[in-house]
Order: sequence, then C-alpha cells, then structure tokens
Amino acid sequence: GDSVTQMEGPVTLSEEAFLTINCTYTATGYPSLFWYVQYPGEGLQLLLKATKADDKGSNKGFEATYRKETTSFHLEKGSVQVSDSAVYFCALSVYSSASKIIFGSGTRLSIRP
Amino acid sequence: EPEVTQTPSHQVTQMGQEVILRCVPISNHLYFYWYRQILGQKVEFLVSFYNNEISEKSEIFDDQFSVERPDGSNFTLKIRSTKLEDSAMYFCASSDPGTVNEKLFFGSGTQLSVL
Repeated sequence: GDSVTQMEGPVTLSEEAFLTINCTYTATGYPSLFWYVQYPGEGLQLLLKATKADDKGSNKGFEATYRKETTSFHLEKGSVQVSDSAVYFCALSVYSSASKIIFGSGTRLSIRP
Repeated sequence: EPEVTQTPSHQVTQMGQEVILRCVPISNHLYFYWYRQILGQKVEFLVSFYNNEISEKSEIFDDQFSVERPDGSNFTLKIRSTKLEDSAMYFCASSDPGTVNEKLFFGSGTQLSVL
C-alpha cells in the first residue's frame, strides 16, 4: 500500500547549520507530496508541497524537490534557526477526492543556539 | 489565520468508558477529518466526513468509533468503550472546499490517556 518513510529523529543541530531530513515514499498512483510541521503545543501546519515530478516546494527557507526517479522528497534548509525546532512530517496524498493524507512517523528537530 | 479548535487538550479516562472528543472546524470548511498518533508512531487517518456523512474510513475506525456534526459548528469523535490501545493524540482537521485534498488545517490535538 501507499506509505511514507522518513528519517528517524531526534535530530539536533547548531544554529546556522545545514538541514536535511530524508523522506521516501511508495505510491501506486501519482501522489502529491507534503511537509507538515508541528511546533510545540500547536497543530500540524502545512509547510510546503509539490504536486508533480520535479516540482520544488518552498517556504520559510525550507525546500523539497519531488524526485520521481528516486521516490524521494527530502526537506532541506541552508541555515536553521532556533525557531525551527519542531516535529516535521512528510506526507502524501494520492486521491483527488476528499480523502486521507498518509503521514510519515515524524522527525523531531532541535536547534541549539 | 483561522484555526481549528479542539477540546479538551488532555483527557484521561478509565478503560471501558465512553469519551467524546470535540472539534470546531474552520467555519467555511466542508470537509472534516480525524487522525490519531500513538506515541512514537505515525499519524494515522481515521475518518473523513462530508455533507453529513462519512466519506471514507480506515480499518482503525471500527464500530467503537463514531463521528457527528451535531449543530453545524462542532465535529465530534466518540469512542464508545475505550481500550488501552486507544491512548493517543487525536487530531481534528478541516479543509477548504476549493482545495479539497491540498491543504488540511489541523487542530492542536487532544491527548487521550486510557487507564
């Protein structure tokens, strides 16, 4: 079935370090891909998305490129800040109708000042 | 930005008891969802709801679960007889009619602990 696998955390980095959180997917159709973020005490928020191969989603300095050949959607940021500390979820959606989003297990990111 | 509101933030119950988790979706949204996350595991889809009926449900959403939109603003998840394995964070979500599957707005969750 459709699934998402992302790197396990926690990930701890120093401020201004380069961030990569790996995500790969398995899907029978042509999925849309997402990164959601959950800041402490808050709900899941859509961070960025890509709806077709080679699309690049970007927001708040984060980027991810939809790679169909490697079935990947890795999240990157060139210089992280303390405020980026959160749990990051990779997700996919295959169906065009009102339906479910399939999430990865989440990666907790902590940034040291 | 508008928010999805969930209450309570924490709920503790005894095994076998009924619980109702409450959600107030964003007012002009038409699609509603419940997800859950057992500690350390993936966020899992439970059910989607549209036009006053369930549009899709997962294997987890068995006869012990039900959803309701009792008054046009609230969206509730009821677990009739809780089990230990129902302990999880439950997230409500709603989506914009113009972008049905592209952007879900999530609440901050209800942490359910079954003792």
